[in-house]
Amino acid sequence: NAGVTQTPKFRILKIGQSMTLQCTQDMNHNYMYWYRQDPGMGLKLIYYSVGAGITDKGEVPNGYNVSRSTTEDFPLRLELAAPSQTSVYFCASSLGDTQYFGPGTRLTVL
Amino acid sequence: KQEVTQIPAALSVPEGENLVLNCSFTDSAIYNLQWFRQDPGKGLTSLLLIQSSQREQTSGRLNASLDKSSGRSTLYIAASQPGDSATYLCAVRPRGETSGSRLTFGEGTQLTVNP
Repeated sequence: NAGVTQTPKFRILKIGQSMTLQCTQDMNHNYMYWYRQDPGMGLKLIYYSVGAGITDKGEVPNGYNVSRSTTEDFPLRLELAAPSQTSVYFCASSLGDTQYFGPGTRLTVL
Repeated sequence: KQEVTQIPAALSVPEGENLVLNCSFTDSAIYNLQWFRQDPGKGLTSLLLIQSSQREQTSGRLNASLDKSSGRSTLYIAASQPGDSATYLCAVRPRGETSGSRLTFGEGTQLTVNP
């Protein structure tokens, strides 16, 4: 099993550009999550999904959108990138209490 | 709103030392608490999970305790090794959380074990 995979690993965006961060898991987990981690800080939940077709906002959803058309994929969309969205983004999935994390995407908005 | 705090922010110890990392949370109505390890440039790996009804969990050289009434948890690492160098984060899941496992994370403690 590959677990949770994220692409790309690194990305630099200009202000106002848009992009999609990809996340795929092969463990057949129903729950998936997107977090962001700012330097020296813990993770903050952006959006989560309890199954295909169902998504909900987390603590910091502004400026982001998600979709969940399949169990495996949970992409995160940034429509108008802003410098405040410079961060490391982690995708995770879970079946029970334990969350499994991807390696992260380091995003810089200039 | 639940807040999770970890002290110290950074810790440097010589190899072989026993050490304790601290985590405190403001709302004792939790379902469980987890300790994670994060290596540089990598994702998080779950180390130990303590249910709210439990007092401690052990895995190898790691022991995590939970005192829900005081809002505290500790992660004890015995006989530390350079390979233990990483950032350790704690996270709590609120009681009554019926959708998924939404977690509130602390800022982490960056541990360096010197050979």
